[in-house]
Amino acid sequence: GAVVSQHPSRVICKSGTSVKIECRSLDFQATTMFWYRQFPKQSLMLMATSNEGSKATYEQGVEKDKFLINHASLTLSTLTVTSAHPEDSSFYICSASKGTGELFFGEGSRLTVL
Amino acid sequence: GENVEQHPSTLSVQEGDSAVIKCTYSDSASNYFPWYKQELGKRPQLIIDIRSNVGEKKDQRIAVTLNKTAKHFSLHITETQPEDSAVYFCAASTGGTSYDKVIFGPGTSLSVIP
Repeated sequence: GAVVSQHPSRVICKSGTSVKIECRSLDFQATTMFWYRQFPKQSLMLMATSNEGSKATYEQGVEKDKFLINHASLTLSTLTVTSAHPEDSSFYICSASKGTGELFFGEGSRLTVL
Repeated sequence: GENVEQHPSTLSVQEGDSAVIKCTYSDSASNYFPWYKQELGKRPQLIIDIRSNVGEKKDQRIAVTLNKTAKHFSLHITETQPEDSAVYFCAASTGGTSYDKVIFGPGTSLSVIP
């Protein structure tokens, strides 16, 4: 199998606080994980590529100081939305690859910033 | 970087009819083309993929064709059923390995009318 677990599935926070989202590959080692953001009725927008043990590679227009990504082990990557604001409200979804190119997605995390 | 376009954005078909979704990509180095199905509020699921050394691939009611010269690929769903209703995303990748990012098209919302 190839199971990716992401939590929390839903989080509501106040403006100015930070939120951490975890992404775990449960039954395989993922040297690379990808973080996407999805607005309602829109596509998955790649935010960053996370490699184990090294700094994440961010896509153009994504603030690295705003969206902190850590890939501490072969099975865990975290995304921290720092000083969240209402415009950061979105569906964040991680994915991991087993080396074939196919992406296995987590359940996604719906962030609402009040 | 890679840019993937997808048409139509919405598609309604009668149950039993066929549905066709078309995508184009910009990076001639792309060689892996997956299709994902996403139901409302759920994670994307891979339904079929094709690599550049193949022109067509079929899996039961689903088929994908690839024209590398024209840089376009298409998804064909035959004998559609109501459970096929979802958002479909085409995507492109330059390597099809763990390290190669996958760029998604904007999506097609398919409705199958019973």
